[in-house]
Amino acid sequence: IQMTQSPSSLSASIGDRVSITCRASQTINNYLNWYQLKPGKAPKLLIYDAFSLQSGVPSRFSGSGSGTDFTLTISSLQPDDFATYYCQQSYSTPLLTFGGGTRVEIK
Amino acid sequence: QVQLVESGGGLVKPGGSLKLSCAASGFTFSDYYMSWIRQAPGKGLEWVAYIRNSGSNIYYADSVKGRFTISRDNAKNSLYLQMNSLRAEDTAVYYCARERESTYGLMGTGTLAYWGQGTLVTVSS
Repeated sequence: IQMTQSPSSLSASIGDRVSITCRASQTINNYLNWYQLKPGKAPKLLIYDAFSLQSGVPSRFSGSGSGTDFTLTISSLQPDDFATYYCQQSYSTPLLTFGGGTRVEIK
Repeated sequence: QVQLVESGGGLVKPGGSLKLSCAASGFTFSDYYMSWIRQAPGKGLEWVAYIRNSGSNIYYADSVKGRFTISRDNAKNSLYLQMNSLRAEDTAVYYCARERESTYGLMGTGTLAYWGQGTLVTVSS
């Protein structure tokens, strides 16, 4: 299963609403997860099963979608949110695949 | 709290071998399925290998099948990745990750709830 993310990068300001999309090459129901990566840090699970917020993750992060099209939304971008975000399908577990990543930069 | 600490990375020549370790703490290691994931410089994440809690079921990405071996020692709370016949394209940061159990406590979700900070493997002559 191929996962395609867009955009590959974006520039945004503090307080902006930011959306990242992820498309699967076939239906994956809601078996879609989102992760945040920062250099030198352990990757962090943000959203699992398309829309469930992982414990401890701020509520400004939300996920939506099902089937083949999914979205990660940050409602009000904070300084700590500048990072790279990846989607990942778990429909074909254990054969996991990730999207290409979206780098969120400061405008 | 859950902690995963990778070690064993370094510089190795093409065709060489390296064994990575991942020390787990803060949870009952023998209950959880584990994975290795890597990120090559400037590239995205790539799933590498997966092992169930008993070690009885193992899966690999096609890119490493036949060259890499995932294993675990539940008595030592440790996960391993033996890497043989290394190639330049294996250069990456390697992460170990623990699965998230389902609402009903079942494994096999494919959701990677906890990750280590990674260890860098460089394959170069």
